[in-house]
Amino acid sequence: KAGVTQTPRYLIKTRGQQVTLSCSPISGHRSVSWYQQTPGQGLQFLFEYFSETQRNKGNFPGRFSGRQFSNSRSEMNVSTLELGDSALYLCASSSLTDTDTQYFGPGTRLTVL
Amino acid sequence: QKEVEQDPGPLSVPEGAIVSLNCTYSNSAFQYFMWYRQYSRKGPELLMYTYSSGNKEDGRFTAQVDKSSKYISLFIRDSQPSDSATYLCAMREIQGAQKLVFGQGTRLTINP
Repeated sequence: KAGVTQTPRYLIKTRGQQVTLSCSPISGHRSVSWYQQTPGQGLQFLFEYFSETQRNKGNFPGRFSGRQFSNSRSEMNVSTLELGDSALYLCASSSLTDTDTQYFGPGTRLTVL
Repeated sequence: QKEVEQDPGPLSVPEGAIVSLNCTYSNSAFQYFMWYRQYSRKGPELLMYTYSSGNKEDGRFTAQVDKSSKYISLFIRDSQPSDSATYLCAMREIQGAQKLVFGQGTRLTINP
């Protein structure tokens, strides 16, 4: 079974631009969560989607948004990029039968210049 | 103050040593505790998961939880160079299954 895939793997943007990151969960998994990982703050929860609905949200500004499609694929969007948004963005998926095991993708490395 | 505190290290030990990694937390609502391992340029992978105080063993790994002290540990016995990675503790409340709160991560190097 294929793991969680994230595209693109690397991205360079400039301040003020917006960016969209994509995540394809493991087949059959309906829950997708997003995390931001930085050296200073570590791994921080952004939001979680289940059956196309946002179920949980972390403490991030409204510039960070996401959505989930009917096939469980998810995207997150960051508008008006700031230098501090440079981070590794990780996506994780989990199944209904094992909600406590989150399978992480390799992440998208976003650099904001 | 962060909800979860973890010494970032780095920690360097010889092969075969017993490694002890620790986290403390302040939120008494945390009831589920996990340890993840993250290799360079990879996403975290779940190593251990527990929800009760006490010890849980899986091969060379033992997870220990002390809810009264708000303290969790991961022990690695007979450490191998392949165990070199960053280890992250994570925890969550009863509600909000996917909203994990992570420690900073400890970078561990096992020297042959």
